[in-house]
Amino acid sequence: AQTVTQSQPEMSVQEAETVTLSCTYDTSESNYYLFWYKQPPSRQMILVIRQEAYKQQNATENRFSVNFQKAAKSFSLKISDSQLGDTAMYFCAFMKHATSGTYKYIFGTGTRLKVLA
Amino acid sequence: DAMVIQNPRYQVTQFGKPVTLSCSQTLNHNVMYWYQQKSSQAPKLLFHYYDKDFNNEADTPDNFQSRRPNTSFCFLDIRSPGLGDAAMYLCATEWSKGTDTQYFGPGTRLTVL
Repeated sequence: AQTVTQSQPEMSVQEAETVTLSCTYDTSESNYYLFWYKQPPSRQMILVIRQEAYKQQNATENRFSVNFQKAAKSFSLKISDSQLGDTAMYFCAFMKHATSGTYKYIFGTGTRLKVLA
Repeated sequence: DAMVIQNPRYQVTQFGKPVTLSCSQTLNHNVMYWYQQKSSQAPKLLFHYYDKDFNNEADTPDNFQSRRPNTSFCFLDIRSPGLGDAAMYLCATEWSKGTDTQYFGPGTRLTVL
């Protein structure tokens, strides 16, 4: 069974600083997707960034980037120039590629990030 | 704007009194999901529809049912809510199975008295 582990329940970072959230996962599949979702307080969950496992290049979206280490099954999220609006719960999620058969998101337990002014 | 809408945002019900939560989408996505999220926990998948094909998770209690009368709407029925069913219920959509990002609604927070 696939599992997703986020070992940092809570983190804080000063505004404008850089922070890295860790995520490890366990799977025997070779084709899959990885995601980071952000859930601000009392607001809906939105996609931050996604990574296809077959791509070696790390995904980037503006201030957000990932460090995808497939062999180590590690998928960390780096937030550069942190902003107060980045304060949220961050969930790492794993999804098997459709061609593998069954699919669904497996979420980690989340990391609560607080950006300090 | 295309989006996933959940109504109501807050629902209070009494122990054992049936309740229905609603989700609608303007994305014309084929897949709709229902998740249960308890405080500070990861969302837990309850079931999903691929078009009209219903897929129940093995550990979803029988107390929970779902209906999808058309592409745009999906309902979550809790037949006899218990105190343990108090949670945030998230609806999400996806264009097709396992091929794309899931888009989440804002959630319905259910309180059971």
